Amino acid sequence: DAGVIQSPRHEVTEMGQEVTLRCKPISGHNSLFWYRQTMMRGLELLIYFNNNVPIDDSGMPEDRFSAKMPNASFSTLKIQPSEPRDSAVYFCASSLRLAGGNYEQYFGPGTRLTVT
Amino acid sequence: KQEVTQIPAALSVPEGENLVLNCSFTDSAIYNLQWFRQDPGKGLTSLLLIQSSQREQTSGRLNASLDKSSGRSTLYIAASQPGDSATYLCAVSPISGGYQKVTFGTGTKLQVIP
Repeated sequence: DAGVIQSPRHEVTEMGQEVTLRCKPISGHNSLFWYRQTMMRGLELLIYFNNNVPIDDSGMPEDRFSAKMPNASFSTLKIQPSEPRDSAVYFCASSLRLAGGNYEQYFGPGTRLTVT
Repeated sequence: KQEVTQIPAALSVPEGENLVLNCSFTDSAIYNLQWFRQDPGKGLTSLLLIQSSQREQTSGRLNASLDKSSGRSTLYIAASQPGDSATYLCAVSPISGGYQKVTFGTGTKLQVIP
């Protein structure tokens, strides 16, 4: 398997523009996560899907952020309008349920977003 | 709210040394604890997962311990190598019957000097 795939790897945009980040989870994984990583706040969970259904979006910073998972193999994170403080690395991860009820998360390479 | 802290924030050691990375968490009601490695510009790679009922896990030169009652975990790296240079993060999952809202620590940036 190619692992979790994210696109684009880098995105530079101007304030006010719409940004869409994409993620393809590992085939067979039924949970998907969007994280944001900054120097100031570290790694934060934004939203988590299980079987394509959003379970917890309490980490989404504000209404400018939205995430969808239309099917088991694709998810998007959209920011509209973008602001400079949204600049960060955004990671997507998917997980597989292990014996004993534990889950192991596999991370994508991330999308580095810069909003000028 | 669960808070996870890692000390030190950065560590530099000569090659061959054994070292310990620390992780502490405020809420001991955890389902499991994981240690991850992050290389610059890359995503996270899971190293070890310890269930709440376990005391330690080992993989090669890595050994992770868990003391739930005191809210602490350590990652022991034996005979460190330059290739071990990376940022190491610990993460805890709450007791929520399959819920996966993982809380990550602040990370320890390790540099192993040849």
